[in-house]
Amino acid sequence: KNEVEQSPQNLTAQEGEFITINCSYSVGISALHWLQQHPGGGIVSLFMLSSGKKKHGRLIATINIQEKHSSLHITASHPRDSAVYICAATLNYGGSQGNLIFGKGTKLSVKP
Amino acid sequence: NAGVTQTPKFRILKIGQSMTLQCAQDMNHNYMYWYRQDPGMGLKLIYYSVGAGITDKGEVPNGYNVSRSTTEDFPLRLELAAPSQTSVYFCASRVQVYGYTFGSGTRLTVV
Repeated sequence: KNEVEQSPQNLTAQEGEFITINCSYSVGISALHWLQQHPGGGIVSLFMLSSGKKKHGRLIATINIQEKHSSLHITASHPRDSAVYICAATLNYGGSQGNLIFGKGTKLSVKP
Repeated sequence: NAGVTQTPKFRILKIGQSMTLQCAQDMNHNYMYWYRQDPGMGLKLIYYSVGAGITDKGEVPNGYNVSRSTTEDFPLRLELAAPSQTSVYFCASRVQVYGYTFGSGTRLTVV
């Protein structure tokens, strides 16, 4: 079992829909990251959070430390949001050096 | 532009050849990482460095070597390339309390 699990693996939405991507983890973490990767492109960091909620434009990330669960929400989705969204965790133990453990990603396709 | 620069973007190698993937950052970040991304899998850590002169193995180091002679540069060396090293390679850097900055990736094919 992976230490970081994402769901769903694939998601197709219509433009304008509200989207939720989920991430659960089974290890102690110091931070949870949401990353975005466009087809054939590099990886962009969207959020880093250790508690509560963060918002940037139409993107919202939340984390529940007790339940070891995080969600990424996209409001009023747009075709340009089509990408792979990756959840990653910074491990919380001495010597981990901030290394990330990655989920396998959620491929989002937003249809016009 | 500030960030992490990776070169080359694409490369085809023959089995047994060697090459170096270059990574440079201009943000004075101490921590640097090399990851590989295989289809359907999460990124895996190859090597990392916590500062100039200090490197350590990650989860999948076999077949690779690194060096960190300066804060800016963190090259990844492939010796005796094998088909199993066909992958997309990402370099990343960070400072202690901020998020990661990733390079644009190097797509490597070994034939």
